[in-house]
Amino acid sequence: GAVVSQHPSRVICKSGTSVKIECRSLDFQATTMFWYRQFPKQSLMLMATSNEGSKATYEQGVEKDKFLINHASLTLSTLTVTSAHPEDSSFYICSARDRVIGADTQYFGPGTRLTVL
Amino acid sequence: GQSLEQPSEVTAVEGAIVQINCTYQTSGFYGLSWYQQHDGGAPTFLSYNALDGLEETGRFSSFLSRSDSYGYLLLQELQMKDSASYFCAVNTNAGKSTFGDGTTLTVKP
Repeated sequence: GAVVSQHPSRVICKSGTSVKIECRSLDFQATTMFWYRQFPKQSLMLMATSNEGSKATYEQGVEKDKFLINHASLTLSTLTVTSAHPEDSSFYICSARDRVIGADTQYFGPGTRLTVL
Repeated sequence: GQSLEQPSEVTAVEGAIVQINCTYQTSGFYGLSWYQQHDGGAPTFLSYNALDGLEETGRFSSFLSRSDSYGYLLLQELQMKDSASYFCAVNTNAGKSTFGDGTTLTVKP
């Protein structure tokens, strides 16, 4: 399957700082990437859909000014958590979609564990 | 919106067969996917069904009935390493996926 990388894998920051997370598709071009967050023992919650060359589409209840998404190229999307607070501590996972006839597969990055002190 | 139901926990022994069911309600259904997630890791793709029937990939198979809005993941010859969470996810023609709450599978010796 396709490979998606995510960086950093783990970050600890102070409250009020901003954190940038990168998501890269390594061996294919992804016009669409997705950003999820996952709390312990819970499901993945879609935060936003990142489209190359256009604005991201945010899910209801997700603050677009707090979670800035940029999809600058076909292989890179970034999520910036601005003015992070302890309640933003979570596992953030990106995925890239490979949609061809008869298949619709998401390839996930390894995730970024964010801890805000 | 979309909603999915899957059992929260399943326990089985090594070598056994286990079936994890998933029922869903959605508009614009495109397909049903299954993912495996080990503790601390990211989800990995297992299987995808867009049409009715059974898809087999090694020890794992997935089934879909669009008319019943139902699917299942079948794991055969269970191994200890199969202990993980399994998520079904509905893919819609809007291009998004909604995940179920996950089923924690515990494989015992």
